[in-house]
Amino acid sequence: EAGVVQSPRYKIIEKKQPVAFWCNPISGHNTLYWYLQNLGQGPELLIRYENEEAVDDSQLPKDRFSAERLKGVDSTLKIQPAELGDSAVYLCASSRFGQGTDTQYFGPGTRLTVL
Amino acid sequence: DAKTTQPTSMDCAEGRAANLPCNHSTISGNEYVYWYRQIHSQGPQYIIHGLKNNETNEMASLIITEDRKSSTLILPHATLRDTAVYYCIVRDDKIIFGKGTRLHILP
Repeated sequence: EAGVVQSPRYKIIEKKQPVAFWCNPISGHNTLYWYLQNLGQGPELLIRYENEEAVDDSQLPKDRFSAERLKGVDSTLKIQPAELGDSAVYLCASSRFGQGTDTQYFGPGTRLTVL
Repeated sequence: DAKTTQPTSMDCAEGRAANLPCNHSTISGNEYVYWYRQIHSQGPQYIIHGLKNNETNEMASLIITEDRKSSTLILPHATLRDTAVYYCIVRDDKIIFGKGTRLHILP
């Protein structure tokens, strides 16, 4: 079974530029998560989707971050414009149902460097 | 905030059992104990989880105390590839990661 796929793996941009990350969850997983991981810290949830619906986006900085999951499968996370403090690893995870303690499986992440 | 307390780092000799402790004194009855690990430049990898009973799978064993206030993850025969940050998480819904334990396997 293929795992969670993310691209690109690495991205370097200058501040104020836009950037987008793509995630393809495990087949059959209805719930998709985006996490942010700063250096030396554990991942922090940005947004959770159940199918196409964003059911928890309370930690997503909506002034510059946006996300979509149009057909309930792949998802894109966008930052516009990027700031120096956005340099981090952006992780995507998926789970079958997203309820209770359903196990989440993570992708390899996208490492963003903003210069 | 994370509901668990873990040592910042630990060392273990290759081939020996690695025992990683976790305190979760405020755990509630419907919260599970989950363990993930994160190898350098990779995403977190699920290891094991449990509610009350001890659990074992092909990767590790999870020992939960009777009062559920602490647990231990056991890697029975540690190898160099087990060098990673290990996260202990208690959850009934969201996963909230702490800083984890950085495990060094020594050759």
